[in-house]
Amino acid sequence: DGGITQSPKYLFRKEGQNVTLSCEQNLNHDAMYWYRQDPGQGLRLIYYSQIVNDFQKGDIAEGYSVSREKKESFPLTVTSAQKNPTAFYLCASSTDGGRLSSYNEQFFGPGTRLTVL
Amino acid sequence: QKEVEQDPGPLSVPEGAIVSLNCTYSNSAFQYFMWYRQYSRKGPELLMYTYSSGNKEDGRFTAQVDKSSKYISLFIRDSQPSDSATYLCAMTGLGNAGGTSYGKLTFGQGTILTVHP
Repeated sequence: DGGITQSPKYLFRKEGQNVTLSCEQNLNHDAMYWYRQDPGQGLRLIYYSQIVNDFQKGDIAEGYSVSREKKESFPLTVTSAQKNPTAFYLCASSTDGGRLSSYNEQFFGPGTRLTVL
Repeated sequence: QKEVEQDPGPLSVPEGAIVSLNCTYSNSAFQYFMWYRQYSRKGPELLMYTYSSGNKEDGRFTAQVDKSSKYISLFIRDSQPSDSATYLCAMTGLGNAGGTSYGKLTFGQGTILTVHP
């Protein structure tokens, strides 16, 4: 089955620790995205990557880092610099990052719920 | 002021009711308008999308876009308990018009809908 997988489903972090959230897709999509979802705030873009070995900051990139070494993988590291990391994290992918004349649907993974203890 | 405003509800209706969900936006560069449905603790899934102004119907769902008023709506007819979810509006522009990057979605806060039997 084609799709996006995220692991783990639940993650607990102690103060001062870095943690890495996994995102893998087998849809052969070029573009991948990371969003954060907080109650009453919708989804906010953290980072996105339109192609392997390239990524761009989104609206709330501070305290986060990513890598895109393989087309199918886009891990997100939540560093100790992120002051309020407790949230629901969603990874998405699309055929490409969008063209001048068309929209490409973003497909979402099941999410990882991160809690800081 | 947020670029996209959506009443978070919660909204509770009886089975069979007509549901109206709405979003307003401020960025005139937005061209594509999406509605996502998100069940509890799951990733969002695309319900419908509309390009520019007009109506689009899919079964019990109708999406409307009024670009002159910067207002979009989703109507659900004959609502069912299985429609209980959070509904997120999202929108994007083309290229970098109005500061919107390729593929970047701007989401509303989401409306929590409960349809009770």
